[in-house]
Amino acid sequence: GAGVSQSPSNKVTEKGKDVELRCDPISGHTALYWYRQSLGQGLEFLIYFQGNSAPDKSGLPSDRFSAERTGGSVSTLTIQRTQQEDSAVYLCASSRLTGNQETQYFGPGTRLLVL
Amino acid sequence: GQNIDQPTEMTATEGAIVQINCTYQTSGFNGLFWYQQHAGEAPTFLSYNVLDGLEEKGRFSSFLSRSKGYSYLLLKELQMKDSASYLCAVRDGDYKLSFGAGTTVTVRA
Repeated sequence: GAGVSQSPSNKVTEKGKDVELRCDPISGHTALYWYRQSLGQGLEFLIYFQGNSAPDKSGLPSDRFSAERTGGSVSTLTIQRTQQEDSAVYLCASSRLTGNQETQYFGPGTRLLVL
Repeated sequence: GQNIDQPTEMTATEGAIVQINCTYQTSGFNGLFWYQQHAGEAPTFLSYNVLDGLEEKGRFSSFLSRSKGYSYLLLKELQMKDSASYLCAVRDGDYKLSFGAGTTVTVRA
């Protein structure tokens, strides 16, 4: 497709279960970001990938959160032993850098509800 | 950490101009982004400034002054569909983006 895609679009899970969220960036975009947005709140940076490496994991809220990116393309964000406070919209964005200009494109997000 | 300030709400009339200010404090500034977000939707990229000056894209323009830690987003010829939240985000260092709380713009007929 032409844009960033994310799956699933919605996920309801029980507290304590693990969930895996997927992001397909725009082809050719080397940079990939994960963000979280809780209801009525601003965006919270989680992690950044440049290619397959994640030079900045500082935004991951706890060690229950992990992310990987393989082949410089698809990325997965995994949340282990989910808690109710993990309920949020998880957004992925990819970007390209042209000279001094960076353009970021967001996916539609995955809405996670932990019961 | 980051300190990014933008007004909470602004209201303007259709056809008018609105300027949304964003001030920030950072030790390693490396770019400022503006996004538009409609309720229940993902943010949409509007602009990226890393050098001082004005970037114009149609009805939207973004300005940056690094020495003042200041940016603004200018929306001209406002349309009803411009009613949304506008997010200012600053990159500190190479990677991390920090977001302001967003400015809700309401356009009235």
